[in-house]
Amino acid sequence: SQQGEEDPQALSIQEGENATMNCSYKTSINNLQWYRQNSGRGLVHLILIRSNEREKHSGRLRVTLDTSKKSSSLLITASRAADTASYFCATGAQKLVFGQGTRLTINP
Amino acid sequence: EPEVTQTPSHQVTQMGQEVILRCVPISNHLYFYWYRQILGQKVEFLVSFYNNEISEKSEIFDDQFSVERPDGSNFTLKIRSTKLEDSAMYFCASSSFPQAEAFFGQGTRLTVV
Repeated sequence: SQQGEEDPQALSIQEGENATMNCSYKTSINNLQWYRQNSGRGLVHLILIRSNEREKHSGRLRVTLDTSKKSSSLLITASRAADTASYFCATGAQKLVFGQGTRLTINP
Repeated sequence: EPEVTQTPSHQVTQMGQEVILRCVPISNHLYFYWYRQILGQKVEFLVSFYNNEISEKSEIFDDQFSVERPDGSNFTLKIRSTKLEDSAMYFCASSSFPQAEAFFGQGTRLTVV
């Protein structure tokens, strides 16, 4: 399967610090997507990075992709309390395969 | 900003009953999906739908489940004879083409009692 797996499973940092989450997957991909999920809510699309891209930015988010290592990272800079959520990577096209997610807690 | 909307937000049903979960995808999207998330577990793919037919489905999506696009805007998931283990959040999603971003609704929390 193209399963993405996030690491760490949980991350707790102070507000203002940077948060880095990693994702590994198993097979070749055309793109990789990152999503955020607040507790009990829907999935919010954050960013899509294509297989021919190495890095992509969106506001305070920076995503990298290393297809040789089959891994991606999501960096959130200058974290805020509102960033507290679970973050998932997903691979695939019509059938997205999600990892278990990283539960990020931003402490005030 | 266009969004995927789902109704109801929460549904409680008796075991053995049928439920229909409703979704309105983003209007210019052509690909539609259902996913589910059992409490504390991963988001799991159920089915994808394009051009009025199922394009892919998972092992979870057995004869108990069906999808329909009854009109130009709605996309429904029907679960027949619900079981306790069907309790989960069900998410609808849509995209403009398979490799594009998939946008998710807020989900329907289904509780089977």
